[in-house]
Amino acid sequence: GAVVSQHPSWVICKSGTSVKIECRSLDFQATTMFWYRQFPKQSLMLMATSNEGSKATYEQGVEKDKFLINHASLTLSTLTVTSAHPEDSSFYICSARDEQGLQPQHFGDGTRLSIL
Amino acid sequence: AQSVSQHNHHVILSEAASLELGCNYSYGGTVNLFWYVQYPGQHLQLLLKYFSGDPLVKGIKGFEAEFIKSKFSFNLRKPSVQWSDTAEYFCAVNADSGYALNFGKGTSLLVTP
Repeated sequence: GAVVSQHPSWVICKSGTSVKIECRSLDFQATTMFWYRQFPKQSLMLMATSNEGSKATYEQGVEKDKFLINHASLTLSTLTVTSAHPEDSSFYICSARDEQGLQPQHFGDGTRLSIL
Repeated sequence: AQSVSQHNHHVILSEAASLELGCNYSYGGTVNLFWYVQYPGQHLQLLLKYFSGDPLVKGIKGFEAEFIKSKFSFNLRKPSVQWSDTAEYFCAVNADSGYALNFGKGTSLLVTP
């Protein structure tokens, strides 16, 4: 079935560095991908909608300069957390919209980001 | 404002007990409704979904959910839970015109042997 690969699965880095997270649809094309954030014991919150070949649409309260999204191809979207700080530590999950499939979205395994 | 509410945050059941997890939503217009499950250390998986038609929806692993439009509810049920059902369960909604999902806060289910 349709698979979404998210990389890396876990990253630890120092405060002030930038971290890039990749989200790939492995066997289908995704013109739209979504980035969610999940805090411990809480639900997923939509951060932004990534559209292939155009600018991402950010949810209210999400800093677009902090969380850079690039969707340069039909199978890859990247989220870059710039100048990361401890409060950015969280679980980031991407999903890809599958227009041809039976399921509306396929989720990646998530990336656990820990900023020291 | 659009919202999704899951009433039970933590549920503990013994094996073979029946399960019902509540989900209510506040949306105008047509909605699509979903239940996702997240097993420990794994990614979200779709259990079942409702777009239209029969309001009683059957999903994988013996789960079902009933859409009651008048109550704005989409409760998840399973007649007899197993230890392997221990997981986090999320109700999610999206409007007919869009695809981003609005998730409830989740319910943590622990099934004891």
